[in-house]
Amino acid sequence: GDSVTQMEGPVTLSEEAFLTINCTYTATGYPSLFWYVQYPGEGLQLLLKATKADDKGSNKGFEATYRKETTSFHLEKGSVQVSDSAVYFCALSAYSGGYQKVTFGIGTKLQVIP
Amino acid sequence: EAQVTQNPRYLITVTGKKLTVTCSQNMNHEYMSWYRQDPGLGLRQIYYSMNVEVTDKGDVPEGYKVSRKEKRNFPLILESPSPNQTSLYFCASRLARQETQYFGPGTRLLVL
Repeated sequence: GDSVTQMEGPVTLSEEAFLTINCTYTATGYPSLFWYVQYPGEGLQLLLKATKADDKGSNKGFEATYRKETTSFHLEKGSVQVSDSAVYFCALSAYSGGYQKVTFGIGTKLQVIP
Repeated sequence: EAQVTQNPRYLITVTGKKLTVTCSQNMNHEYMSWYRQDPGLGLRQIYYSMNVEVTDKGDVPEGYKVSRKEKRNFPLILESPSPNQTSLYFCASRLARQETQYFGPGTRLLVL
């Protein structure tokens, strides 16, 4: 079946540091890829997405590029802020049995310290 | 405001005492899902519904029931809760033709 692999963390960075959270996936066909963010005490919300190979999703200074050759969708940000502290989930969406199923990674906790 | 609401947000109960967690969305979404979030396991889908009166099992359906009598509501029922159902639960919804899901704020359940 489909799967998404990402490190659990926590990842601890100082403010203004460069962020990379790795995400790799296994899927048949051509999935869409997502990054969701979960701020403390809240539900998940979409951060960015890409629907086909070489697409770049971007939002709030975060970026991720859909790399089909390496089956990856790494999340990057050039300069993190304390307000970016959250749990980040990589996910893929693909048709399975007539239904568009979403598979999530385990989530990576990011802590940004002043 | 477009949103997914869940109630209650926090619940402590005892083994075997039936409970229901409600989920409601005001976006006229066809698809609704329930997930549980556990440390080291991420989000796992419990049940989903493609429309009114259409539901199906997700990856971890054991011990749970759902119903979809109205488009906006998708309650999660634990008829005989056990301690291994202690978890953080999320309801989500989306339009049939879109992939982006909208999540509720979560329900933290403790079963003693």
